[in-house]
Amino acid sequence: EPEVTQTPSHQVTQMGQEVILRCVPISNHLYFYWYRQILGQKVEFLVSFYNNEISEKSEIFDDQFSVERPDGSNFTLKIRSTKLEDSAMYFCASSETFVGETQYFGPGTRLLVL
Amino acid sequence: KNEVEQSPQNLTAQEGEFITINCSYSVGISALHWLQQHPGGGIVSLFMLSSGKKKHGRLIATINIQEKHSSLHITASHPRDSAVYICAVRYNTGNQFYFGTGTSLTVIP
Repeated sequence: EPEVTQTPSHQVTQMGQEVILRCVPISNHLYFYWYRQILGQKVEFLVSFYNNEISEKSEIFDDQFSVERPDGSNFTLKIRSTKLEDSAMYFCASSETFVGETQYFGPGTRLLVL
Repeated sequence: KNEVEQSPQNLTAQEGEFITINCSYSVGISALHWLQQHPGGGIVSLFMLSSGKKKHGRLIATINIQEKHSSLHITASHPRDSAVYICAVRYNTGNQFYFGTGTSLTVIP
């Protein structure tokens, strides 16, 4: 069964460093999403992406964040200058269409900023 | 606007019991998503609902649009059902999903 994959599974970085989290969505899916979950808290929406552009972003998704689909398979989330509070689990998801469609989640990348 | 309330917060059940987890929201929605988060952190989609009822195996999800309420039922619960169950809604006025804090379910053999 097709699945969303994410790399790396864990990343440790120093405050102020740039990180890139990678996702490979399901191949025929057109909508892509990033979520984050700070330890012990609820899942939060970051951004949705369609047709090579951001379709919606939350207040969390400030100028430190960017997303890109550099080729036909990868979908990346870049955090330009990490802060301690960026430590969280980051989930990528994809869906075939948008309205009413199930989103398929990747296994997540656990990011720790020291 | 973006409050999604789940109850109970924690639930312990004996194997075989019928389980109900509730989700309430405050304004009109276009979709409601039930998800399961395993102890290791992975998230699995269970149901996407906009009306009525859906069933998959031992899981049943219902939604009452007028009452702004959804329930997730698990019949004949099993220890492998132990997980956090999360409700997320997409409001009519936007596209992003807002998540509840989850219900932590433990099923004891």
